[in-house]
Amino acid sequence: AQKITQTQPGMFVQEKEAVTLDCTYDTSDQSYGLFWYKQPSSGEMIFLIYQGSYDEQNATEGRYSLNFQKARKSANLVISASQLGDSAMYFCAMREGDNRLAFGKGNQVVVIP
Amino acid sequence: DGGITQSPKYLFRKEGQNVTLSCEQNLNHDAMYWYRQDPGQGLRLIYYSQIVNDFQKGDIAEGYSVSREKKESFPLTVTSAQKNPTAFYLCASMGQFGTDTQYFGPGTRLTVL
Repeated sequence: AQKITQTQPGMFVQEKEAVTLDCTYDTSDQSYGLFWYKQPSSGEMIFLIYQGSYDEQNATEGRYSLNFQKARKSANLVISASQLGDSAMYFCAMREGDNRLAFGKGNQVVVIP
Repeated sequence: DGGITQSPKYLFRKEGQNVTLSCEQNLNHDAMYWYRQDPGQGLRLIYYSQIVNDFQKGDIAEGYSVSREKKESFPLTVTSAQKNPTAFYLCASMGQFGTDTQYFGPGTRLTVL
């Protein structure tokens, strides 16, 4: 069964606007972590933001915030004030008890000027 | 600077040949991981190691082998038994104590001719 689901098609977003990337997850663990990574065309995976399952506050890192809805098992990434350099693939991932990460298939974002 | 290096960036292999991908980290991380990424897909775990001289199979270990003789190094060998080895390979590492995040190297793109 797929543990991380990212189903949005490629997205175009106007520069300076906000964009929300959806991620739903499936786990029976009580303790887990949720991550978002950015992969530009160069291929490197860049860590953006982390949310622990026991964290009560939504995580924020600069222009990135994570909308964590535990009951719905969703962990959506919000990028505010989009920049041209935000054009990339974005991957949601989940860590369970054995410290392995399960990745979704990614969301493509293209920022247009 | 601290980080993860992978070499080479591009690698070409003839069918039937074994090839070894290098991954080195100077972050003093205990755990290291190898992932495979196919076009339009997320990352799939090949092997991981949580401590020197120990490693475990991931989800797609068949046709691959690893060693972990030093904390800093976790080379991946793609053997001739791997039927479809053309892919992008990413190495990651993670600290074991108080650090939840996996950090990635720049990747190696392997093409079988």
